[in-house]
Amino acid sequence: ILNVEQSPQSLHVQEGDSTNFTCSFPSSNFYALHWYRWETAKSPEALFVMTLNGDEKKKGRISATLNTKEGYSYLYIKGSQPEDSATYLCAFKGNYQLIWGAGTKLIIKP
Amino acid sequence: EAQVTQNPRYLITVTGKKLTVTCSQNMNHEYMSWYRQDPGLGLRQIYYSMNVEVTDKGDVPEGYKVSRKEKRNFPLILESPSPNQTSLYFCASSLRREEVDTQYFGPGTRLTVL
Repeated sequence: ILNVEQSPQSLHVQEGDSTNFTCSFPSSNFYALHWYRWETAKSPEALFVMTLNGDEKKKGRISATLNTKEGYSYLYIKGSQPEDSATYLCAFKGNYQLIWGAGTKLIIKP
Repeated sequence: EAQVTQNPRYLITVTGKKLTVTCSQNMNHEYMSWYRQDPGLGLRQIYYSMNVEVTDKGDVPEGYKVSRKEKRNFPLILESPSPNQTSLYFCASSLRREEVDTQYFGPGTRLTVL
């Protein structure tokens, strides 16, 4: 059974601190890894699509890295702000359908 | 504005009463999909459609039906809802199938079946 694990499940971070969390996925038959940001009561929105081992993508204070050989991706947020509070979802694309992780819920404390 | 719309946003119903959740996108996307989201679990795909009149089962299709008569619309039908279908439902679309394409999500429909 293919599984995508995200850790931690939830995270409280002080405003201004930097943080990171992990998405683990199968290391075989890799096609793409997606990161989405999902604010409460809103639609999930795409952050990054990563396809190559060693890929590093950046959008403002948020960046992501990809290691397809060992099957993990990190999402980093630098200098957390209250508007970063959301659930961050990753999704793995291998041979079959997209497989989604359960998300990391990030709460920024002012 | 490019968007995916879903209606209704909230629905409380009773067991066995047929219901339809509508989904519409205005981006001329070929690929559309329905997901359900339950606490502690990742999004699970119910059905997807690669184009008009082409639909296929996802991971959890039991108890659901879909149709794709027009490119923009992809309704989700629960013929006889049961309490285990209480969930948050998302419709999503992408230009093509989702390998590397970004998916655009609707705002979600929170369904409670009593």
